[in-house]
Amino acid sequence: AQTVTQSQPEMSVQEAETVTLSCTYDTSESDYYLFWYKQPPSRQMILVIRQEAYKQQNATENRFSVNFQKAAKSFSLKISDSQLGDAAMYFCAYEDNFNKFYFGSGTKLNVKP
Amino acid sequence: DAGITQSPRHKVTETGTPVTLRCHQTENHRYMYWYRQDPGHGLRLIHYSYGVKDTDKGEVSDGYSVSRSKTEDFLLTLESATSSQTSVYFCAIGGLAGSYEQYFGPGTRLTVT
Repeated sequence: AQTVTQSQPEMSVQEAETVTLSCTYDTSESDYYLFWYKQPPSRQMILVIRQEAYKQQNATENRFSVNFQKAAKSFSLKISDSQLGDAAMYFCAYEDNFNKFYFGSGTKLNVKP
Repeated sequence: DAGITQSPRHKVTETGTPVTLRCHQTENHRYMYWYRQDPGHGLRLIHYSYGVKDTDKGEVSDGYSVSRSKTEDFLLTLESATSSQTSVYFCAIGGLAGSYEQYFGPGTRLTVT
């Protein structure tokens, strides 16, 4: 089974600043997909960004971007110009070749005004 | 938003009683998943389905069973509820063709007393 590790249980960032959330994973597969999900207090899971392992180019979605290091099995999320609405739990996830998903334990992001 | 509903949304039950949670989708998607979410563990896969009557176990399947007799419905049954099964349960469907991400239901909070 794959494992996904988020080593930062909680982080804080000042509004308008930049923050990076870390994620590492363990796999023997060469093709897979990686995701970041956001879970606000409403409990709804919201997709933030995804990355295909076969693509070298890092994915970006507006203020959200990733740093994908395949050899290091690292997949970090950078949030630029942080906003109060970014405060949430963030989960890193891995999808294997059998369409099974593995999630990290999450990072709680606090945004200070 | 993907059409995924879960019922009930909240349930309190006693130890030893059977409990069934329902997930219903209107997207006609082949893959459906059940997760549980607990503090410090993120989301953990219980069971998933890759078609009608086709299911497989996840990493925390003990004490749970599933059934899928129609494309749109995926049922999760706790055969004899225990206090350790107190959790928030999420249903998800696989991404639409070519996108691969999951879409989540609103969650069910289950308390076993």
